[in-house]
Amino acid sequence: QKEVEQDPGPLSVPEGAIVSLNCTYSNSAFQYFMWYRQYSRKGPELLMYTYSSGNKEDGRFTAQVDKSSKYISLFIRDSQPSDSATYLCAMSAVQYGNKLVFGAGTILRVKS
Amino acid sequence: DTEVTQTPKHLVMGMTNKKSLKCEQHMGHRAMYWYKQKAKKPPELMFVYSYEKLSINESVPSRFSPECPNSSLLNLHLHALQPEDSALYLCASSRLPGQSNTEAFFGQGTRLTVV
Repeated sequence: QKEVEQDPGPLSVPEGAIVSLNCTYSNSAFQYFMWYRQYSRKGPELLMYTYSSGNKEDGRFTAQVDKSSKYISLFIRDSQPSDSATYLCAMSAVQYGNKLVFGAGTILRVKS
Repeated sequence: DTEVTQTPKHLVMGMTNKKSLKCEQHMGHRAMYWYKQKAKKPPELMFVYSYEKLSINESVPSRFSPECPNSSLLNLHLHALQPEDSALYLCASSRLPGQSNTEAFFGQGTRLTVV
């Protein structure tokens, strides 16, 4: 079993839809949770950073962390074709030197 | 400014060549990382530097040699690479473990092709 599970997709949605992206993990030591967006042949861009459980909102993006269920989510409201990319979840813990553990990445396609 | 700058953007090298990848950040981060990413896969950690000292080497072959000349710069020296080393090489930086706001910021990567 991988430490972080993420459905690779692809996930196809119409423009304007609400997108839900998810990751599950097995290591309860993880404390820091991140979502990155990666366009083809580019570096990952940090979208959201959350410490421990709770919600965080930034514009059209909302990140949720449920440590009791070992489950994190990223919601994208009013999705746009420019949101088409690969979305990577990543998590870390101080005891592991903040080494990032990535999910496989979900390919999102928003169709106009 | 959350920018990590990598040069060159693209590199083609022969198996007998020696080349270097460069990375620079001015966020005051004291942790810097090299990752390797193959197509349709997540990034894989190669090396971590903390306070300019190598703290993690993920069993990377010696044909990859990292160097951290100062707190803003990170190099990756390449020698005698194999075609299977062709990938996107990513540099990242962050604050140190235990500090607040330890999210990692990535550069745009160097796309390396070994011929």
